[in-house]
Amino acid sequence: DVVMTQSPLSLPVTLGQPASISCRSSQSLVYSDGNTYLNWFQQRPGQSPRRLIYKVSNRDSGVPDRFSGSGSGTDFTLKISRVEAEDVGFYYCMQGTHWPFTFGPGTKVDI
Amino acid sequence: EVQLVESGGGLVQPGGSLRLSCAASGFMFSSYWMSWVRQVPGKGLEWVANIKVDGSEKYYVDSMKGRFTISRDNAKNSLYLQMNSLRAEDTAVYYCVREGRLIDYWGQGTLVTVSS
Repeated sequence: DVVMTQSPLSLPVTLGQPASISCRSSQSLVYSDGNTYLNWFQQRPGQSPRRLIYKVSNRDSGVPDRFSGSGSGTDFTLKISRVEAEDVGFYYCMQGTHWPFTFGPGTKVDI
Repeated sequence: EVQLVESGGGLVQPGGSLRLSCAASGFMFSSYWMSWVRQVPGKGLEWVANIKVDGSEKYYVDSMKGRFTISRDNAKNSLYLQMNSLRAEDTAVYYCVREGRLIDYWGQGTLVTVSS
């Protein structure tokens, strides 16, 4: 199975400051169709996860533009340009290239 | 508006069975792969199974193969997960999700507790 690792696992942040989460996969996530199925999810306390970014860098509708995704191959990053209070929660990367699809362990973001 | 509403969770003894259901609305259910993902309370996320749009292909995580069965009824806009031979380690919130590679919508989840 593809192992997804995230760092850091805990990220204390300051409101208004940038934050960055790294995600690495044990294999390349480039699929045979040329797409890279690396997604990012946010899970706020007591809520279901919500997708923020799909295929590395595509931001979902309604997601603030302070969130951005980048990377390629096996190395990916989620960035928050200016952290706001509502960004507190867990962030998970997930690969949808190799079955079984797998999630990273999650990064806890708190103020 | 896309809605996924799970039901069927509860307390079951080890070795028992449970059937989860997911009622979908707000989109063309028969056009989407559907999946189940679970989360042990306070822990991370784990895939369970995927099913193709017409039910012709199903994929399971190894630890659940042979015990869990994913199915769908496109006429009823519903997704199911039959869980047999349940173990304590299957205790989790089970989420119905739309799509596989690109999960774009999640249900609110239903809690399954396996305990004597």
